[in-house]
Amino acid sequence: KAGVTQTPRYLIKTRGQQVTLSCSPISGHRSVSWYQQTPGQGLQFLFEYFSETQRNKGNFPGRFSGRQFSNSRSEMNVSTLELGDSALYLCASSSGQGNEKLFFGSGTQLSVL
Amino acid sequence: GENVEQHPSTLSVQEGDSAVIKCTYSDSASNYFPWYKQELGKGPQLIIDIRSNVGEKKDQRIAVTLNKTAKHFSLHITETQPEDSAVYFCAAWNYGQNFVFGPGTRLSVLP
Repeated sequence: KAGVTQTPRYLIKTRGQQVTLSCSPISGHRSVSWYQQTPGQGLQFLFEYFSETQRNKGNFPGRFSGRQFSNSRSEMNVSTLELGDSALYLCASSSGQGNEKLFFGSGTQLSVL
Repeated sequence: GENVEQHPSTLSVQEGDSAVIKCTYSDSASNYFPWYKQELGKGPQLIIDIRSNVGEKKDQRIAVTLNKTAKHFSLHITETQPEDSAVYFCAAWNYGQNFVFGPGTRLSVLP
């Protein structure tokens, strides 16, 4: 079956703008998690959504937000972009039952100029 | 909260040799430990995982060992091949918490 799909693959924005990233999980998976990956900080957890509800949240400012739709697709939004937001944003899906495998998408590479 | 350390940060081995990457975790309640391989331009791919009730697990050339008492787990790759070159991440998970990842190990397999 199809894997986790993230769009777009690349994004270039300027400071102060906002951006929306999209993630379609593996069919049947109800949990979607978002991670920020940078060379200096590694993989940092942003938030997790399960059945349209945010179930867990990392230590990121309120400029980072997300949502999940009834079909389990998820979007992540970053407002008032800063240069430090440049990163690879990864989405991962799982069935959501806990203690189980995460499957990652290829990510969206965001560059903030 | 959970903290995961990973060593070494870079590792170079000759093709055919073995590679070992070690991780330690801080939260004794963590009970699931996956390993991910990330190739350039791709997302992390799960290669093997182990749960806290198991001490060792093998899958062809890859094995993972877990020492719950010492709170560390290791990835072993035997008979390395050039296609094993990638960045490897370990992670720890506990129910109700998110996955915490190690900083990664860049493995280079030299032909």
